Amino acid sequence: QQQVKQSPQSLIVQKGGISIINCAYENTAFDYFPWYQQFPGKGPALLIAIRPDVSEKKEGRFTISFNKSAKQFSLHIMDSQPGDSATYFCAASMRTGANNLFFGTGTRLTVIP
Amino acid sequence: NAGVTQTPKFRVLKTGQSMTLLCAQDMNHEYMYWYRQDPGMGLRLIHYSVGEGTTAKGEVPDGYNVSRLKKQNFLLGLESAAPSQTSVYFCASSYGGRSSGSSYEQYFGPGTRLTVT
Repeated sequence: QQQVKQSPQSLIVQKGGISIINCAYENTAFDYFPWYQQFPGKGPALLIAIRPDVSEKKEGRFTISFNKSAKQFSLHIMDSQPGDSATYFCAASMRTGANNLFFGTGTRLTVIP
Repeated sequence: NAGVTQTPKFRVLKTGQSMTLLCAQDMNHEYMYWYRQDPGMGLRLIHYSVGEGTTAKGEVPDGYNVSRLKKQNFLLGLESAAPSQTSVYFCASSYGGRSSGSSYEQYFGPGTRLTVT
């Protein structure tokens, strides 16, 4: 059973456009929501993360929007560039324990010039 | 500073064979993790360790064993490989965990692609 649901599975965006990836969860014990970026042949790398006490976090062109009541969060990539083409994973973990991450199924983003 | 390294990068096994995947980190991290990545499934936690000499089960531990004899190394073993264990395996490490009060960002290795025929 997938604890974090992610959509879409794939996304094609024009250079300069906005890429939006959505995730949803059910377990209210989750309180840390990171996004990972993975290039082909590489391991995932932390991109940006949010805690549920804020509704938005921005780092450069990357923004996480968080809706606690709906149990949803999304990644927005502004001014998308071909170099952003990668697979993006949302994840969640609980307050206690070892930070075991529960990942979404991933979104393959392609930014076309 | 190499970060997290994994050996081997690729491996093909026959059903029933055994093998060990090695993960090493040079960041003096306490916590280490093994994940598997399958198409359409994302990454799923197999086993993890919160310090030298400790191990614990994750989401999908069946068919795998682990050992953490040294702080910098985390080994993942397959005693009798099955085709269902065909996957890409990622190791990760972090300085601390959620309840440790320390940084808990996970750093991932480059992965091992395993095929079981």
